[in-house]
This record gives sequence, C-alpha cells and structure tokens, in this order.
Amino acid sequence: NAGVTQTPKFRVLKTGQSMTLLCAQDMNHEYMYWYRQDPGMGLRLIHYSVGEGTTAKGEVPDGYNVSRLKKQNFLLGLESAAPSQTSVYFCASSQANTEAFFGQGTRLTVV
Amino acid sequence: AQTVTQSQPEMSVQEAETVTLSCTYDTSESDYYLFWYKQPPSRQMILVIRQEAYKQQNATENRFSVNFQKAAKSFSLKISDSQLGDAAMYFCAFATGFQKLVFGTGTRLLVSP
Repeated sequence: NAGVTQTPKFRVLKTGQSMTLLCAQDMNHEYMYWYRQDPGMGLRLIHYSVGEGTTAKGEVPDGYNVSRLKKQNFLLGLESAAPSQTSVYFCASSQANTEAFFGQGTRLTVV
Repeated sequence: AQTVTQSQPEMSVQEAETVTLSCTYDTSESDYYLFWYKQPPSRQMILVIRQEAYKQQNATENRFSVNFQKAAKSFSLKISDSQLGDAAMYFCAFATGFQKLVFGTGTRLLVSP
C-alpha cells in the first residue's frame, strides 16, 4: 500500500519556467491538499480539493494552479516559477474525521 | 485568524528522560481536531497523536501523551522514556473544516545519550 506518492522528489527550475507536481493517493480519500514548507514557518496550505473536479484556495495560493480530474490525483502547477517559490512541497490526503496522510515531499529550487 | 503557536524553537532531553513540548492555538470553532506530527531528517510527516476537541480524556499512544486544556487552548505533548529515534522536528496542528491543517512553526527535539 503506497499511500500518498509525489513526483518528482527533487527539481531545479530556472526563473520563468513552468512545471507540474503530481500527487497520487491509493486510499480512496475525498480530500487532497498541497502545502509548502519554508524554514521557520511550518507548513502552509496552498490549495485543496474536497472531491473530484473541485478545488479551492488555501492560505498562500498566488502563483499556483491545481487540478483534480481524477479522485486519486491532485496536480500542482507553477506557470512561471519565481525564486520565492523555492520550498519543500507536500501533498496530503484525508477523509472527514481522520488525520491527513502525507507524501514524502518535493524539494523545489528556483534559480 | 486561526493560529498555532509553538514557543519552543528547540528542546533537549536525555535518553530515558521525559520532555514536554508546548503548543497553544486560537480558533473560534467549537469542534475540531488537534494533532502532533513528527518530521525526522527524512522529511516524512508522521502522525504522533491526535485529539478530538469534544473529548475530555487526553489521548495517549504508548510513550506519547497529551495534556489538552480546551478552555486555555493548550495542547502539549509529553514524551516519556525518550529514545534517540525521537529526535526530530515536532509540529502541532489543528484541523478546520474539510480537515485543512493549520501548523505551528515546529519544535526541534534533540536527544542525547
């Protein structure tokens, strides 16, 4: 049972480039999330989804887009990467009244 | 605004001793969940313990227990019989609607032999 899988685990981008982070979960969870973790700031919510075909903004959504075309997948897109988006990104999934299960994280560096 | 405060950036403990990590939070909701997550150097977020706000009894998981004071909005984590493998960052968090998590800034726990 893989749980939550993120692809890729590491990436270096040049300013202005675009990329997509993929998150896949095999627990049939309704809810999925994208968080970013910066030094000294804990994890902050970027976007989330409460079901297939739905998305909503979190605390820090600017510069990111998301899609949830299939229940098991949640994609995070950066259309034009900026150095301020250098961070570790975590995907998570959950159901109502349960804890969140996290992926292993993606370290993204924008130069 | 909903916030979580962890006032201890770093704590140290010796093996076999007990340590308590502090957490306070602010929310206007009456029904919510509280969590402690552990993040070792591998970066993986691992659930340590969870507490439902409507339950008065403090949660316990083996060597880990919490002191939940709802009126004071306090949720501290006690680690008993500390082990070297407990060394990690510990994050306090609470879940709002749709289980969206609000995290504190973390406490780094150092464990010495």
